[in-house]
Amino acid sequence: SQQGEEDPQALSIQEGENATMNCSYKTSINNLQWYRQNSGRGLVHLILIRSNEREKHSGRLRVTLDTSKKSSSLLITASRAADTASYFCATRRIQGAQKLVFGQGTRLTINP
Amino acid sequence: SAVISQKPSRDICQRGTSLTIQCQVDSQVTMMFWYRQQPGQSLTLIATANQGSEATYESGFVIDKFPISRPNLTFSTLTVSNMSPEDSSIYLCSASGLDEQFFGPGTRLTVL
Repeated sequence: SQQGEEDPQALSIQEGENATMNCSYKTSINNLQWYRQNSGRGLVHLILIRSNEREKHSGRLRVTLDTSKKSSSLLITASRAADTASYFCATRRIQGAQKLVFGQGTRLTINP
Repeated sequence: SAVISQKPSRDICQRGTSLTIQCQVDSQVTMMFWYRQQPGQSLTLIATANQGSEATYESGFVIDKFPISRPNLTFSTLTVSNMSPEDSSIYLCSASGLDEQFFGPGTRLTVL
């Protein structure tokens, strides 16, 4: 079963604006990873944030993690048309099998 | 990061037949996984491919339907057996070391 819930399910913004996507999860985690998927192709790994980290940056991406609220957010600044894709969060639990469990994803559309 | 290749990239198959998907990783990895992504959905883990032993299947997936092999640290196969139209999906191979998990480009399967 899916551990993560993402919101919004779909987001449409104008090019140049910032896009924020949220992810919530249910169990204690070792890390949380964000991925991008273009048009049903393979997943591109964007960023990993560990449970003892609160914020990470990579280029125009900013990820936060709040383990007390069991939530994470992905911020894309100065969006571009090429950012149009589906974005997924995935969590790796602390205990048990070291498998990655995915959220439902957010479909992001950047309008030129 | 690990580079993962899959073949075939896509196939159209008749119901009742079987298809074997191959996955090759360019470096030795600790864990390999197989995921399914049904149209418009998120990723669901099918199984963890274990080197030299039987794969570990998730609830709802069985070895008779999805036999998996992993003869060494960098190669795995997934067979989709006795296919029906409900098996039409993207099948993704994934590999990880200690932290980050990477995905192959996927195999798009259509069953008629």
